[in-house]
Amino acid sequence: QKEVEQNSGPLSVPEGAIASLNCTYSDRVSQSFFWYRQYSGKSPELIMSIYSNGDKEDGRFTAQLNKASQYVSLLIRDSQPSDSATYLCAVTNSPNTGNQFYFGTGTSLTVIP
Amino acid sequence: EPEVTQTPSHQVTQMGQEVILRCVPISNHLYFYWYRQILGQKVEFLVSFYNNEISEKSEIFDDQFSVERPDGSNFTLKIRSTKLEDSAMYFCATSDRNTIYFGEGSWLTVV
Repeated sequence: QKEVEQNSGPLSVPEGAIASLNCTYSDRVSQSFFWYRQYSGKSPELIMSIYSNGDKEDGRFTAQLNKASQYVSLLIRDSQPSDSATYLCAVTNSPNTGNQFYFGTGTSLTVIP
Repeated sequence: EPEVTQTPSHQVTQMGQEVILRCVPISNHLYFYWYRQILGQKVEFLVSFYNNEISEKSEIFDDQFSVERPDGSNFTLKIRSTKLEDSAMYFCATSDRNTIYFGEGSWLTVV
C-alpha cells in the first residue's frame, strides 16, 4: 500500500509569516511530486510540481524535495489570509503513463490576519 | 485557460438508482481520471483511462462502476446501483503527461 502522510493540522500562522507544510511518502520509486490547494467544497488546484531533489521556487511558494528521506515540503512566504485552505501533497510514479496520483489527507492551514 | 468541465455539479439520487457523471477533458489531454472525496476525507483514486481503456483502477472501483468515452469528447463515470456510501464529491481529472488538472467536481448525494 503506497502511503502519503501529512500532518492534518490545523496549522495556524499569523499574516506575513512563513507557513511550512510537510509530506512523506512510502514508495521509493515515486518520481513526481505535487502540491495542491483545496478550498472547502472546491476542487484541488495545482500550486507546484517538483521532480528533482532540492528547492523549486515560484513566487511566494517554495517546494523542497529530498528523495533519500522520502520527504517533500512546501513553504509559503508572506502568508496571506487567502492562503487559508487545505494543502494536499500528491505523488506519482510516472504521470506520463496514466499512473494514479496518490494523495495525502491534507494539512489545514489558517492564516490569521 | 483550458479547464476540465463536469456535469452535473450536484445530483441527489435514491439508493439503487443509476447515476452517470460527465466530464469534458481539456483538449489534447490523453489521460483521464476519476477521483472521489467523501466529506472530510482524503481524495481517493478510482480509475485512470488511456487510449480508450482502463489503465489502472482501485479497490473502490468495483463492478458497480464503469467508465467510457462514448463520443470522443465526454468521459463518463457510471454507478449502476448507488449505495449510501457512494455519497461523495467526484472529481474528473485529465493529464497532459506532466500533471493532472481537476474539474470542479460533481457532488453526489445518495438518499
